Amino acid sequence: GEDVEQSLFLSVREGDSSVINCTYTDSSSTYLYWYKQEPGAGLQLLTYIFSNMDMKQDQRLTVLLNKKDKHLSLRIADTQTGDSAIYFCAEKDRDDKIIFGKGTRLHILP
Amino acid sequence: NAGVTQTPKFQVLKTGQSMTLQCAQDMNHEYMSWYRQDPGMGLRLIHYSVGAGITDQGEVPNGYNVSRSTTEDFPLRLLSAAPSQTSVYFCASSYSTAGGWTGELFFGEGSRLTVL
Repeated sequence: GEDVEQSLFLSVREGDSSVINCTYTDSSSTYLYWYKQEPGAGLQLLTYIFSNMDMKQDQRLTVLLNKKDKHLSLRIADTQTGDSAIYFCAEKDRDDKIIFGKGTRLHILP
Repeated sequence: NAGVTQTPKFQVLKTGQSMTLQCAQDMNHEYMSWYRQDPGMGLRLIHYSVGAGITDQGEVPNGYNVSRSTTEDFPLRLLSAAPSQTSVYFCASSYSTAGGWTGELFFGEGSRLTVL
């Protein structure tokens, strides 16, 4: 079945850029997503990219998609303490199911 | 707008008991789904529905039933709870546009279930 993989932890100094990486297996994925989960809350969509795009930028967020390698990344510029959260990569498969990775916990160092 | 509302927020069950987790959305979304979140496992899809009267299985459907008699409601039933079903459960909904379904999910706040 489909699989979405991402590293579990990332530590970044405040003010630096954070880069969270993700790989997926379903080559028919039409949309790929980044969701953010803050403690005790549900997930919120940060951004998504259509599979025919290479890059999408939205304020401090940059999403890069390498469809050949099935690799997705999320770059957060000027990381702030409020960015501390779990970030989930997800894909929409051919059956319209949304499949999530295990999440990357972003820790901000002072 | 309330968005996606889940009840209860917390529940403790004994093994073998049954219960229903309620999910309601007031956004007229066609798509609704249930996920469970476990430490180190991320979110796993249990069941989903693309419209009233239609349900389908996700990655981990065993031990759970769903129904979708109205657009607004998508309850998740545990017929005989087991300790392995201890988890945080999230309901999510989504909508279609003229261009199709983008898959943007709107999540409830979660229901934390403990099975003893």
